[in-house]
Amino acid sequence: GAVVSQHPSWVICKSGTSVKIECRSLDFQATTMFWYRQFPKQSLMLMATSNEGSKATYEQGVEKDKFLINHASLTLSTLTVTSAHPEDSSFYICSARVAATNYGYTFGSGTRLTVV
Amino acid sequence: GQSLEQPSEVTAVEGAIVQINCTYQTSGFYGLSWYQQHDGGAPTFLSYNALDGLEETGRFSSFLSRSDSYGYLLLQELQMKDSASYFCALRGSGNTGKLIFGQGTTLQVKP
Repeated sequence: GAVVSQHPSWVICKSGTSVKIECRSLDFQATTMFWYRQFPKQSLMLMATSNEGSKATYEQGVEKDKFLINHASLTLSTLTVTSAHPEDSSFYICSARVAATNYGYTFGSGTRLTVV
Repeated sequence: GQSLEQPSEVTAVEGAIVQINCTYQTSGFYGLSWYQQHDGGAPTFLSYNALDGLEETGRFSSFLSRSDSYGYLLLQELQMKDSASYFCALRGSGNTGKLIFGQGTTLQVKP
């Protein structure tokens, strides 16, 4: 089946540094990937939609200069959290649509980011 | 915009049947999906309704009524491993294909 590989699974960084999270589609081409953030006991909040070869579309209230998204190939999308602060500590998950099915979304395993 | 509402918590005993409701507001959508998420894990797809009615997949069934802006997930023969969070999600009718999730329902299955 369609698999999205997300790395790292967890990362601890110092306040003020940047962290890059990668999502790769392993056996299919993902022209579009979605990035979500999830705080403990809360829902998945869509941050942005990443499109291969073009600029990402950010949801209202998400700082595009802070959360840099790059989708340079059909199999790789990256999210870079720049100048991270403790309030950016969260669970970040990527997702991609699979083929033409309406319900075929596959998710990465998530990245637990802790900023100290 | 789109919004979905679910109960925050549900508790049931092993072997029982539980229903998790989802009401939504949207100007248009392709269908309603349900996902399961265990602590620290990724969401996994459970069921999808594009049309009104009941969809059955093993122990899980999902229902949609577009006229009532309402859907539910039905879990039968509950097992301890079903303890998790359950999310309903809408795929909007635009071209982006993005999924918008409800707040999630935490299901606790007791022996």
